[in-house]
Amino acid sequence: GAVVSQHPSWVICKSGTSVKIECRSLDFQATTMFWYRQFPKQSLMLMATSNEGSKATYEQGVEKDKFLINHASLTLSTLTVTSAHPEDSSFYICSARDSGRWNEQFFGPGTRLTVL
Amino acid sequence: GQQLNQSPQSMFIQEGEDVSMNCTSSSIFNTWLWYKQDPGEGPVLLIALYKAGELTSNGRLTAQFGITRKDSFLNISASIPSDVGIYFCAGQTGGTASKLTFGTGTRLQVTL
Repeated sequence: GAVVSQHPSWVICKSGTSVKIECRSLDFQATTMFWYRQFPKQSLMLMATSNEGSKATYEQGVEKDKFLINHASLTLSTLTVTSAHPEDSSFYICSARDSGRWNEQFFGPGTRLTVL
Repeated sequence: GQQLNQSPQSMFIQEGEDVSMNCTSSSIFNTWLWYKQDPGEGPVLLIALYKAGELTSNGRLTAQFGITRKDSFLNISASIPSDVGIYFCAGQTGGTASKLTFGTGTRLQVTL
């Protein structure tokens, strides 16, 4: 099946620093990728929709200047958490939509971010 | 925004038992999906439902798309220890290319 990877799998950073998370579709091209955030024992909440070659679409309440998304190629989207604070600590999960498989979204393994 | 409520929130069952969980919404969805998430991993698709009334099976899993398009259920028969995890329903209001709205999740524990 389709494979989506994320890097890093976990990261610890100091408050005020920026962290970049990569999402790659390994065996298919994805014009659209999605970024989710999941707090402990909660559901996945969509943060933004990442479109290759154009600006991302952010969900209500998500600060676009804090969560920078770049989708520069058909296999890579990046999420940068700028000026991270402890409340940004969460599990960040991406998914990539495969138009060749009935638009099914394939999820990455997630990135655990801890901000000290 | 839209919210999908799942019940029960958690279940503790014995190996071999059947499991049933459901998902309800205040609004209509055109597609219902069921995912399983293991700890520290991303969700994996179990079953996708595309038509109201549709009943679909995948091995020991059976799911149905409610006729009103506002609910769905997932059944797991003869549970085994590897069924442990969190089960999420998700819906799409547009076509299959539209974004997903996830349910609140059902945590399943299976005891030997």
